[in-house]
Amino acid sequence: SYELTQPPSVSVSPGQTARITCSGDALPKKYAYWYQQKSGQAPVLVIYEDSKRPSGIPERFSGSSSGTMATLTISGAQVEDEADYYCYSTDSSGKGVFGGGTKLTVL
Amino acid sequence: QVQLVQSGAEVKKPGASVKVSCKASGYTFTSYGISWVRQAPGQGLEWMGWISAYNGNTNYAQKLQGRVTMTTDTSTSTAYMELRSLRSDDTAVYYCAREEGGGNLDYWGQGTLVTVSS
Repeated sequence: SYELTQPPSVSVSPGQTARITCSGDALPKKYAYWYQQKSGQAPVLVIYEDSKRPSGIPERFSGSSSGTMATLTISGAQVEDEADYYCYSTDSSGKGVFGGGTKLTVL
Repeated sequence: QVQLVQSGAEVKKPGASVKVSCKASGYTFTSYGISWVRQAPGQGLEWMGWISAYNGNTNYAQKLQGRVTMTTDTSTSTAYMELRSLRSDDTAVYYCAREEGGGNLDYWGQGTLVTVSS
């Protein structure tokens, strides 16, 4: 079955740039989406279609995709950005798949 | 404003079934799909499947095929997810999410905890 691979954890100091990667064989043909989940809350969409930012999401969140890797970048990470981040995409039959998630620590 | 409101927590015995509802408001229900996602305690997100609120077409995760059924009631703008033959590893928070297409899950319900225990 199709898999998306993320690093389990990323740690940065406040104000630094955090980069979270997501690799998958179908990413050259399929969009990547990024979801932020804070403890005890429902996920929130922060990037869609590789690089688009929904309204209300701070400009420090950006996304890119090249080849088999998508990247979520948080420029000038804030303490409130501490959360789990999940990439999401679909396989050739339209079935969804989430990456394993990356715990972002900002301290 | 767009809202998805899910039904309350459930406790079920192994082998039983559960049906979770997701009532949508603030948008044209039939213009979007609904995806269902679950999260076991301390684990990551797992995609369960998708249903078109327009025509009822479905696409289920391979591992749940045969045990899950997703339906919609357009008269009440409500989506349902039924999971049968419950096992202890089905214990999870179940979320519904509005899907604009291709993976854009832009609004989520609050989640429903389903506990499977004897």
